[in-house]
Amino acid sequence: DADVTQTPRNRITKTGKRIMLECSQTKGHDRMYWYRQDPGLGLRLIYYSFDVKDINKGEISDGYSVSRQAQAKFSLSLESAIPNQTALYFCATSPRKFSLSTDTQYFGPGTRLTVL
Amino acid sequence: QKEVEQNSGPLSVPEGAIASLNCTYSDRGSQSFFWYRQYSGKSPELIMSIYSNGDKEDGRFTAQLNKASQYVSLLIRDSQPSDSATYLCAGKPQGGSEKLVFGKGTKLTVNP
Repeated sequence: DADVTQTPRNRITKTGKRIMLECSQTKGHDRMYWYRQDPGLGLRLIYYSFDVKDINKGEISDGYSVSRQAQAKFSLSLESAIPNQTALYFCATSPRKFSLSTDTQYFGPGTRLTVL
Repeated sequence: QKEVEQNSGPLSVPEGAIASLNCTYSDRGSQSFFWYRQYSGKSPELIMSIYSNGDKEDGRFTAQLNKASQYVSLLIRDSQPSDSATYLCAGKPQGGSEKLVFGKGTKLTVNP
């Protein structure tokens, strides 16, 4: 089974709709992240969470909200979807234990979101 | 602003050749660096990490770090068509930040 799962994998929605993307992990990592990826723009951080009570905005949080329901679950919501939120969305996790070589991020399979 | 810069490519090499991917970073205090491979429409996959000056080898992959020049590279020996992907360079800034700074990626095509 995959260590980091995302649901749904693909979603088409209409402008103005509320949508939630979910991320679950079995890696036991404390830190979780949400990114979006657009062609030519690379990965951009939306929100990140170091534990259930610690949630932080990333570089492009406007129009998004998150919920850390448990250590293993981190959800991203688009309150009122707009077409320029069409993108590939990735959840990632990283461990708390400090190690120069492994203290990095591990990505879920992604959700392709289209807003019409 | 802390940045990681990569040539977007595309970089095209023949099968069996050495592919050389390069990355520069602005934060002199960055401690460690990571190379991810991303196939089209798929998620980034960690392939190498490096935090000491010099070379680190893992199979056909060699990561190189030069902190004085703020330069990181990835060499892929005996390139295969299956290596065709976008390669992302990421740096971990100084100061205990838990965020990575990603480059925009270099697209590599290995021609049979």
